[in-house]
Amino acid sequence: RKEVEQDPGPFNVPEGATVAFNCTYSNSASQSFFWYRQDCRKEPKLLMSVYSSGNEDGRFTAQLNRASQYISLLIRDSKLSDSATYLCVVNNGNDMRFGAGTRLTVKP
Amino acid sequence: DTAVSQTPKYLVTQMGNDKSIKCEQNLGHDTMYWYKQDSKKFLKIMFSYNNKELIINETVPNRFSPKSPDKAHLNLHINSLELGDSAVYFCASTLNSRPDTQYFGPGTRLTVL
Repeated sequence: RKEVEQDPGPFNVPEGATVAFNCTYSNSASQSFFWYRQDCRKEPKLLMSVYSSGNEDGRFTAQLNRASQYISLLIRDSKLSDSATYLCVVNNGNDMRFGAGTRLTVKP
Repeated sequence: DTAVSQTPKYLVTQMGNDKSIKCEQNLGHDTMYWYKQDSKKFLKIMFSYNNKELIINETVPNRFSPKSPDKAHLNLHINSLELGDSAVYFCASTLNSRPDTQYFGPGTRLTVL
């Protein structure tokens, strides 16, 4: 079983749609959690951290369920510029483990 | 004034050759990393250096040898290149006080023919 698993997609949604991505992780001792964004042929960049209490940054909401070892990202009112690959990332104390990413395409 | 820079950006070479990729960060970070992103887009850590000292050495062939001449540089030398080494190699860095926030370089796209 992979350490961090994500649905690879692709998710093709119209502008303005709400889209949700899920991620599961295998190491119950994992300490911190993140979503990174990677544009085509570019480096990953931190989108947001994920906390058990849930956190919101504008149109983006991240949730963590430690009991289920599950992380989610919700994007509301999708924009064309949201098109990218979203990487679920887990810090297991020694290093960061990346999921393979979920690809999102937002269409006009 | 790029924060994390890598050279070269593209590298095309023949099997069996030896090549190096360089990474520099001007953020004053303490820890630097090398990641490999293969064709399936998995980003996998290879090495981590903290203040010039090797911290993480994942299971990679010993043809890969990292070198950190100082805290701001982490180079990756690859001997006897193989077809399977073709990938994008990303350098990253973090502050010890904020180990979770990784700053990535632009990547080096290596193609082995």
